[in-house]
Amino acid sequence: EPEVTQTPSHQVTQMGQEVILRCVPISNHLYFYWYRQILGQKVEFLVSFYNNEISEKSEIFDDQFSVERPDGSNFTLKIRSTKLEDSAMYFCASRRGQASYGYTFGSGTRLTVV
Amino acid sequence: AQSVTQLGSHVSVSEGALVLLRCNYSSSVPPYLFWYVQYPNQGLQLLLKYTSAATLVKGINGFEAEFKKSETSFHLTKPSAHMSDAAEYFCAVSDQGAAGNKLTFGGGTRVLVKP
Repeated sequence: EPEVTQTPSHQVTQMGQEVILRCVPISNHLYFYWYRQILGQKVEFLVSFYNNEISEKSEIFDDQFSVERPDGSNFTLKIRSTKLEDSAMYFCASRRGQASYGYTFGSGTRLTVV
Repeated sequence: AQSVTQLGSHVSVSEGALVLLRCNYSSSVPPYLFWYVQYPNQGLQLLLKYTSAATLVKGINGFEAEFKKSETSFHLTKPSAHMSDAAEYFCAVSDQGAAGNKLTFGGGTRVLVKP
């Protein structure tokens, strides 16, 4: 079964450093998402991406965050200057078409900011 | 805005007993509804989804859920719990109409299965 692949599975970074989280969505999917889950809390929406542009973003997704789909296969989330509170599990998801098709999630990247 | 409420952040059941996880949504029109399971240190796996077809939806691992419009609910059940069902379960909602629409998650319910 096709999978959404996320790398790395775990990343440790120093506060203030830039990080790039990488995702390879399922190849025929058109809609892409980033979510985060702070330890012990609910899964929160960050951003959705369609047709090479952001379609929606949450209040969490401020100027420190950006997304890119540079080559038609990868989908990246960049955090420019990490803060301690950015420590979380970050999930990438993709969707083929209408929401009724369902959303497929990757296994996540655990980001630890020290 | 869509919202999802899961009643009970923790549920403890005995092996072989019924599992019932509650989910209520707020939406002016019936949305699409999903249940995801998260095993420790793993990602989110789709258990089942409601997409305007049958109101009783069967999923993987013996789980099922019933959409009740009058109660704005989508509760998840499994007749007989197994030790392997110990995990966190998330209910999520998505609007039917919007093309790029996001999933909105409930707070999650952690299930503990006692031998």
